Amino acid sequence: GIQVEQSPPDLILQEGANSTLRCNFSDSVNNLQWFHQNPWGQLINLFYIPSGTKQNGRLSATTVATERYSLLYISSSQTTDSGVYFCAVVSNDMRFGAGTRLTVKP
Amino acid sequence: DAMVIQNPRYQVTQFGKPVTLSCSQTLNHNVMYWYQQKSSQAPKLLFHYYDKDFNNEADTPDNFQSRRPNTSFCFLDIRSPGLGDAAMYLCATSRGPTQTQYFGPGTRLLVL
Repeated sequence: GIQVEQSPPDLILQEGANSTLRCNFSDSVNNLQWFHQNPWGQLINLFYIPSGTKQNGRLSATTVATERYSLLYISSSQTTDSGVYFCAVVSNDMRFGAGTRLTVKP
Repeated sequence: DAMVIQNPRYQVTQFGKPVTLSCSQTLNHNVMYWYQQKSSQAPKLLFHYYDKDFNNEADTPDNFQSRRPNTSFCFLDIRSPGLGDAAMYLCATSRGPTQTQYFGPGTRLLVL
């Protein structure tokens, strides 16, 4: 099946810093989503982005489908950005990467 | 607001005692999914319904069953829970199988 790799596995930032999270996938996909899982376990949709670039406030994402990767950018990070960020792709079924655990310190 | 609802949020059951988790949606989506997420791991798809068609993942244990009596509701039945089944169970919906998935808040299952 399709492989999804996320990097880095852990990231610690000072409040106000910028960061880039990466998602590599091993085959062509029909869909790619970025999620933020909050401390209570809720998975929150950030982006549906099988290709191209999207922005939503301090967050933006770019997927280069031909090169099989996606990037999530977080600018001016806040403590509320802490949590686990998952990339998930759909070829036949949805497969999640292992996630990036982000900690933003005040 | 249209949403995905899971009840209960926390469920405690005994080893071997059948348990049912429920999911409902007001989005009128065609596809409903059940995922299992263990501590510090990524969600893992158990099965999904596309309308009334049931699709089981190959490695989902027989101990896990699902029912979808209508468009709005989907149930996860664990026939004989073991200690290893303690996890967060997440329900999701999408309009179509490759479209955006929307997740409920999850049910955290504890097996004693």
